[in-house]
Amino acid sequence: NAGVTQTPKFRVLKTGQSMTLLCAQDMNHEYMYWYRQDPGMGLRLIHYSVGEGTTAKGEVPDGYNVSRLKKQNFLLGLESAAPSQTSVYFCASSYRQGSYTFGSGTRLTVV
Amino acid sequence: GENVEQHPSTLSVQEGDSAVIKCTYSDSASNYFPWYKQELGKGPQLIIDIRSNVGEKKDQRIAVTLNKTAKHFSLHITETQPEDSAVYFCAATDPTGYSTLTFGKGTMLLVSP
Repeated sequence: NAGVTQTPKFRVLKTGQSMTLLCAQDMNHEYMYWYRQDPGMGLRLIHYSVGEGTTAKGEVPDGYNVSRLKKQNFLLGLESAAPSQTSVYFCASSYRQGSYTFGSGTRLTVV
Repeated sequence: GENVEQHPSTLSVQEGDSAVIKCTYSDSASNYFPWYKQELGKGPQLIIDIRSNVGEKKDQRIAVTLNKTAKHFSLHITETQPEDSAVYFCAATDPTGYSTLTFGKGTMLLVSP
C-alpha cells in the first residue's frame, strides 16, 4: 500500500500565484488533515475533513481553502500565495479518533 | 482549544544512555496521547501512543507514561542508538469538535556514538 501520497514534493511560487496541493490516501480513512510545519512551531492544523464533502477550519486556516470531493483525496489550495506561506505542508489521514498516517510532505517556497 | 508544551527542545545523549522527553497538556478532557518520530526529509511516523485509561505503555526500548492528575505525559527511550536521532513530537487530542491532534513544538534528539 502507498499510504498517504502528496504531490508535488517541492514547489516555488511567486507572490500572488495560486496552486493546489494534492493528498491521496488508499487506507479508506474517514478523516483527513492538512498541517503546516515551520521551524520552532511544530505542526499546526490548517483544515481538516471528517468525511467526503465535509471540511472544517483548524488553527491557521487563513489564506487556504480545501475540498474533499472524493473520500480518498483532500486538496489544499492557495489562491494568492504570500511569503508567510513558505512552509512544509503535511497531509495526514486517520480513522475516527485513531492514529494519524502522514505523507512525506510538500516543501513550498513563496518568493 | 488544547495547548501542548514540550521540553526540552533539544537533547543530546551518548549511545546507550536513556532519553526522556516531557509534555504537558491543558485540557483535562483530552484522552489520546501519541508520540511521533520525524527523520530528516520525511513525514512524522507514529512510534507509540497511550489512552487516558492507561498509566504506562511499553514497546521494546520505548515507553510512555501518563499522569492525568498533573496533565503530564513523557516518552522514555532506553539504550539509545544513533538511529534514534530524529525530531520527536508529542500530541494530544483536542476534545472540542472532532478530536483533532494538537502537537508540541518538537524535541531534536541527537545520539552520539
